[in-house]
Amino acid sequence: QVQLQESGPGLVKPSETLSLTCTVSGGSISSYYWSWIRQPPGKGLEWIGYIYYSGSTNYNPSLKSRVTISVDTSKNQVSLKLSSVSAADTAVYYCARRGTHYDSGTVYYYMDVWGKGTMVTVSS
Amino acid sequence: DIQMTQSPSSLSASVGDRVTITCRASQSISRYLNWYHQKPGKAPKVLIYAASSLQSGVPSRFSGSGSGTDFTLTISSLQPEDFATYYCQQSYSIPFTFGGGTKVEIK
Repeated sequence: QVQLQESGPGLVKPSETLSLTCTVSGGSISSYYWSWIRQPPGKGLEWIGYIYYSGSTNYNPSLKSRVTISVDTSKNQVSLKLSSVSAADTAVYYCARRGTHYDSGTVYYYMDVWGKGTMVTVSS
Repeated sequence: DIQMTQSPSSLSASVGDRVTITCRASQSISRYLNWYHQKPGKAPKVLIYAASSLQSGVPSRFSGSGSGTDFTLTISSLQPEDFATYYCQQSYSIPFTFGGGTKVEIK
């Protein structure tokens, strides 16, 4: 059974770069898309972006100028970097696998496996 | 961006009740609509994808319906483990967006 585990610093200073890693175990990173999603304390969910195992990416335009998502297939890891952080970036950060469902020639996507999430606080 | 609006934002219900949550998209998204629930301190978990397909392992008391802009999640008989926050999410276009959530509480 595929499991995802996020890791990285729990505290980042304002204006610095947030760096997180998602390690995939129990399965291969290949042939899937991998997303990052975040959730500020007490608030809703925000999709940050995704990456295909081949390296192609798609980002939320609201964060695109500050986000980089990368993949290391040899380590079965996906990474997130978010630059120039502020208090507004304080959140639980989740990685998730994008599942695919085919129905009458139409492809549907959903996040079918999630990590437990990691809390990142931006504060000096 | 496609805006997803859920209602109600919260509700109180008893074990055994039938519960309905609605989600409205700001434009047509066909059936590109997923439902998740999230318990405190836990990651979201998918319940329904493609508007009405039940994720493997999810109890059959959960069902989804709708297409276009209006969608519904129904819990036919609320169980103690169903008290959580429910989110809809569109996968029609980038950026994927979520509804604001519906918190289901014990009456």
